[in-house]
Amino acid sequence: DTAVSQTPKYLVTQMGNDKSIKCEQNLGHDTMYWYKQDSKKFLKIMFSYNNKELIINETVPNRFSPKSPDKAHLNLHINSLELGDSAVYFCASSQWIRRGASGANVLTFGAGSRLTVL
Amino acid sequence: GIQVEQSPPDLILQEGANSTLRCNFSDSVNNLQWFHQNPWGQLINLFYIPSGTKQNGRLSATTVATERYSLLYISSSQTTDSGVYFCAVGYRLAFGKGNQVVVIP
Repeated sequence: DTAVSQTPKYLVTQMGNDKSIKCEQNLGHDTMYWYKQDSKKFLKIMFSYNNKELIINETVPNRFSPKSPDKAHLNLHINSLELGDSAVYFCASSQWIRRGASGANVLTFGAGSRLTVL
Repeated sequence: GIQVEQSPPDLILQEGANSTLRCNFSDSVNNLQWFHQNPWGQLINLFYIPSGTKQNGRLSATTVATERYSLLYISSSQTTDSGVYFCAVGYRLAFGKGNQVVVIP
């Protein structure tokens, strides 16, 4: 029973198209994240939601729009795809820990979605 | 934001050897995690270790928060230890560039 599942696993599309990646977690976590891993393996956070509320919004083009219909789901929609959007996108989830509070927001990652823009 | 540097960037080990990976960070933190990304891309959380020492099988980690570094030890390495090891630090979990480890039989 997969804890954090992403679909699709692979996505090949043309420049200019719009695409979505879906993520679901069954761990009962309050917080979900999107990370982007580039071709050099560098992992960078894009967004984080806590119980459907956006709490982290890094410098990302506004062509990227996350949406969290409930705390178990976080989707990523990308408009007008560009070559530079090619990457592996990882979804993750964790317990919610307020900034400065004790405890750990230990991340559990999904398997990743490899997006190739031609 | 917090800067995270990992060393060495690349490491080739003979099976059975021991190794130490290092993570330096630029600011005091109360959150530090180590991850392993296997050759198939799966990211697995190894340790949550903002301070102190933890052990899990052949892996152990030590964080000296006052000196802003963490170490990951791999003992008696196996080919399944191959992959990239990431250190992630801080409330926003800034990731380092990783340590690429290849264990050869």
